[in-house]
Amino acid sequence: DSGVTQTPKHLITATGQRVTLRCSPRSGDLSVYWYQQSLDQGLQFLIHYYNGEERAKGNILERFSAQQFPDLHSELNLSSLELGDSALYFCASSVDPSGRSLYFGPGTRLLVL
Amino acid sequence: GQNIDQPTEMTATEGAIVQINCTYQTSGFNGLFWYQQHAGEAPTFLSYNVLDGLEEKGRFSSFLSRSKGYSYLLLKELQMKDSASYLCAVRDKDSGAGSYQLTFGKGTKLSVIP
Repeated sequence: DSGVTQTPKHLITATGQRVTLRCSPRSGDLSVYWYQQSLDQGLQFLIHYYNGEERAKGNILERFSAQQFPDLHSELNLSSLELGDSALYFCASSVDPSGRSLYFGPGTRLLVL
Repeated sequence: GQNIDQPTEMTATEGAIVQINCTYQTSGFNGLFWYQQHAGEAPTFLSYNVLDGLEEKGRFSSFLSRSKGYSYLLLKELQMKDSASYLCAVRDKDSGAGSYQLTFGKGTKLSVIP
């Protein structure tokens, strides 16, 4: 158990819908990273927050947004969902922005029908 | 940006040694990581190299050559539980925003057979 929690574990929804994925980092970790993992693309970096501030964006679609709250938990919002958004979404945390030691949560498996 | 290549699949026998290679092209380099990921589970950290040479940690070792853009993960005394995907990841230099990005390869699926 990495200490990073993600909810829900599984999510099934329809195209066009909007969902929110939640992540709680390890106690004391200020950095939260979101990754998307699909079968053909591997782990793709989406976005990084440190202590409530956005630090970097990766291949994140405009339909996706995220935020980190004062209690350091983070939410990833996915809207206007498409079939191709079906993937595993991982949150990872680290104590500082260097990302030297990333601890991954168990992931949320999203299926868009 | 980063481009990371590793074999898609490998098969090895229980008790044997296997080497998983990773090559990368990068515009900035600040360390190379190996992660293990069992199917449907989260990646877990295995090793980190930032200087050239070999890092040994029990049955697992990782090697880095920065001049060649090359790393390998060596697994000794293979066990059935080592069947998993092994992800090579390269960390960028800080873009100036205080964020270091990890770019992952697509992973090598290792099957350990009796």
